[in-house]
Amino acid sequence: DTEVTQTPKHLVMGMTNKKSLKCEQHMGHRAMYWYKQKAKKPPELMFVYSYEKLSINESVPSRFSPECPNSSLLNLHLHALQPEDSALYLCASSQERGFDEQFFGPGTRLTVL
Amino acid sequence: RKEVEQDPGPFNVPEGATVAFNCTYSNSASQSFFWYRQDCRKEPKLLMSVYSSGNEDGRFTAQLNRASQYISLLIRDSKLSDSATYLCVVRDNYGQNFVFGPGTRLSVLP
Repeated sequence: DTEVTQTPKHLVMGMTNKKSLKCEQHMGHRAMYWYKQKAKKPPELMFVYSYEKLSINESVPSRFSPECPNSSLLNLHLHALQPEDSALYLCASSQERGFDEQFFGPGTRLTVL
Repeated sequence: RKEVEQDPGPFNVPEGATVAFNCTYSNSASQSFFWYRQDCRKEPKLLMSVYSSGNEDGRFTAQLNRASQYISLLIRDSKLSDSATYLCVVRDNYGQNFVFGPGTRLSVLP
């Protein structure tokens, strides 16, 4: 199984809402990633979890709060977002060390009103 | 200087054409190299890993030149379905850091 799943596919939220994005993989990967992607730009790294511990935070605003409940799951909690946070949010996973590639989920398209 | 740079594009080519994409990277300690393709409003999907000896998969050929820190992707006999953005990705030091190039957009025209 080389699949990364993400829910929901689409999300519309107001600036005062709290919502969560979910990601799951069953490839035994111990590194999991959140990326933000705006139109016509490459994915921009937000967070990396390694063995369920946060290892990289790319100076992301605190209105984005990641969580890794276990080795297969990754959440991104959203609160008090701004319209400029509207983007495609991608989850990915990889081996924690090695030569192999990342696998991406299909993404959540987020619109903040 | 950006860590990974690519041809700015876009490339507009007719069906059947051969097209080449170039990518350079700045970190000489980089160990793994990949080409991903990304369709509009979809996730990136691995097209090819790039090996030192060069590798081919059907119409696609990837080359790596470590001395020049340069990666290339050649697409022969372009199809309409090859229209996408091609992302050069470099993995550093066996670890968690995957660095993306800005991408090159390809449109194959009928």
